[in-house]
Amino acid sequence: QLQLQESGPGLVKPSETLSLTCTVSGGSISSSSYYWGWIRQPPGKGLEWIGSIYYSGSTYYNPSLKSRVTISVDTSKNQFSLKLSSVTAADTAVYYCARQTPHDYIFDYWGQGTLVTVSS
Amino acid sequence: EIVLTQSPGTLSLSPGERATLSCRASQSVSSSYLAWYQQKPGQAPRLLIYGASSRATGIPDRFSGSGSGTDFTLTISRLEPEDFAVYYCQQYGSSPQITFGPGTKVDIK
Repeated sequence: QLQLQESGPGLVKPSETLSLTCTVSGGSISSSSYYWGWIRQPPGKGLEWIGSIYYSGSTYYNPSLKSRVTISVDTSKNQFSLKLSSVTAADTAVYYCARQTPHDYIFDYWGQGTLVTVSS
Repeated sequence: EIVLTQSPGTLSLSPGERATLSCRASQSVSSSYLAWYQQKPGQAPRLLIYGASSRATGIPDRFSGSGSGTDFTLTISRLEPEDFAVYYCQQYGSSPQITFGPGTKVDIK
């Protein structure tokens, strides 16, 4: 059974860079033609797609966040990562990593999510 | 950017009743790229429907999806206690771009 687990600091200061890692277990991140994505959810609000990466490293990002987002993959560790720069309180959210199918771009496996709070 | 609108915002129903949730897109969406998710408090979203009408693995047949173009519907034929949750639609479009609707909360009347 595929499992995804987010990890990283739960508190980030304004103007700094938020960094999270998603560790995939129960399957290889590079063995199939899947994308791997990040989605966030501010407290009490809806879902926002941040961006996605293919195991080869090709990426695509939400245009509204593109200037601040970098997603990378480390196939040797079966992980992919998110960096979001110049954070503000508006970036406070639960951040989810998820597997994304290549043909219809849906998210079929999700991590449990991790709350990141931006505060000084 | 394709904007998804969901209605109603909240649907108050009793167990056993039928729930009809709407997702409307600002531009035409390929049916192949429309999905529905269920989210319960404190949990990650769970995929219910993909390709507008195909149930994901393990999803009961009381859940069904339909629609095309700009209007899509998620129907729960008879609400079970575990179905009270928030439901989101999601689309994939050119650019590429992925967007979610704001959600419909189905709560107990």
